[in-house]
This record gives sequence, C-alpha cells and structure tokens, in this order.
Amino acid sequence: GAGVSQSPSNKVTEKGKDVELRCDPISGHTALYWYRQSLGQGLEFLIYFQGNSAPDKSGLPSDRFSAERTGGSVSTLTIQRTQQEDSAVYLCASSSLTNTQYFGPGTRLTVL
Amino acid sequence: SQQGEEDPQALSIQEGENATMNCSYKTSINNLQWYRQNSGRGLVHLILIRSNEREKHSGRLRVTLDTSKKSSSLLITASRAADTASYFCAEVDDKIIFGKGTRLHILP
Repeated sequence: GAGVSQSPSNKVTEKGKDVELRCDPISGHTALYWYRQSLGQGLEFLIYFQGNSAPDKSGLPSDRFSAERTGGSVSTLTIQRTQQEDSAVYLCASSSLTNTQYFGPGTRLTVL
Repeated sequence: SQQGEEDPQALSIQEGENATMNCSYKTSINNLQWYRQNSGRGLVHLILIRSNEREKHSGRLRVTLDTSKKSSSLLITASRAADTASYFCAEVDDKIIFGKGTRLHILP
C-alpha cells in the first residue's frame, strides 16, 4: 500500500523567501509528526498532530515556523523568511493507534 | 525488510536498576542513533555514535557499537520512573531506518 509521501523531494530557495512543505500520511493514520535533520545530526522533533489539532508544538524553533493539518490528513509545514540555518532534511511521519511511526522520504531544503 | 531490530521487545525493571537494550542493524552505517518516545509524543534524540566510535556516554546513558557484529547496546543506569518509554535505534547511512523499538517500563 501507499506509504507516507512528501513533496517536494528537494527545494532550493533564497534566503528570505517563504517555503511550504507537504506531507501526505498513510490513509487512516491519526497522528502526524514533523522532524528536521541537519547534516550529521539526529532528528529534531518539530511538531505533532493528533487529528487536526497540535497538542505538542514544543519543537518549532521559531515563530517563522508553522504547520497545519486539515481534514485529518495532509499537513503543510511553512517556513517564513527562510534563513541558511533552516537548511536540513524535513521528515514527516504518521502513525496509527499502534504508535509505530512510518516515515516519508523527506524534503531536502537548501537555503542559499 | 530493511528494518533493524531491538531486543528485547519489552522490558520491565525496578526503579534504580540498570536497563540494557540491544539493537541489530542490517546495512553499513555512517552513524547509529538512539531515540526515546514517550507515549503519544514525538521521538526525542538521545545519543549518536559514529561508525568509528566504540563507546559513548551521555549522563546516565552509555552506548556501545560493534560494527563487526552490526549491533549496538543502550545502557540506562540507575533507572527512574521517568525513563518509562519506548526506545528506538536508527541506522543512518544515506537514509535513516528505525528499528521497532523496546518498550521499557520502570516499576516503582
């Protein structure tokens, strides 16, 4: 069956521009997570959705970062006024009641 | 399956005891990472060990890596109730592959 998909797979943008990253979770998965992985670093938790609500936004690094999820399915992560330190791979994962997280392939963001 | 495996799948110990979890992986790695997940929360990165390292410490955590056996272990010393969580290893090369995790329960 279809897994978690993310788009775009690669995004190169100029400093100061806004970017929007998309995640399509596995159908029926109620939980959705966003992570960021900088080069050579571990995963950094950003935000977690249960349905359309986000009970845990503690990982968002600044107010330039926001995320939404509509219809309990697709989620978008928006980064406003991108900075070079935002360059990373952004990973999305979804899970059902079993809590096993299934990861998407990630979006590689490069801010020039 | 590419997925590595943690052993044991579940572990219950008394508070104050040491907890040891093992991980076997299948691919060549750049580094191996351990994560914790509390129920209903996101994964939290604990420690990263590079392929040329054999042991690493962070607070009450000790990680070992044996690349000849493609295995790693995570030791939590002097366990606390707050350590109750699931623990995952992740093998990292050009992609990141998580194991299925060990559910650790610390008994008061």
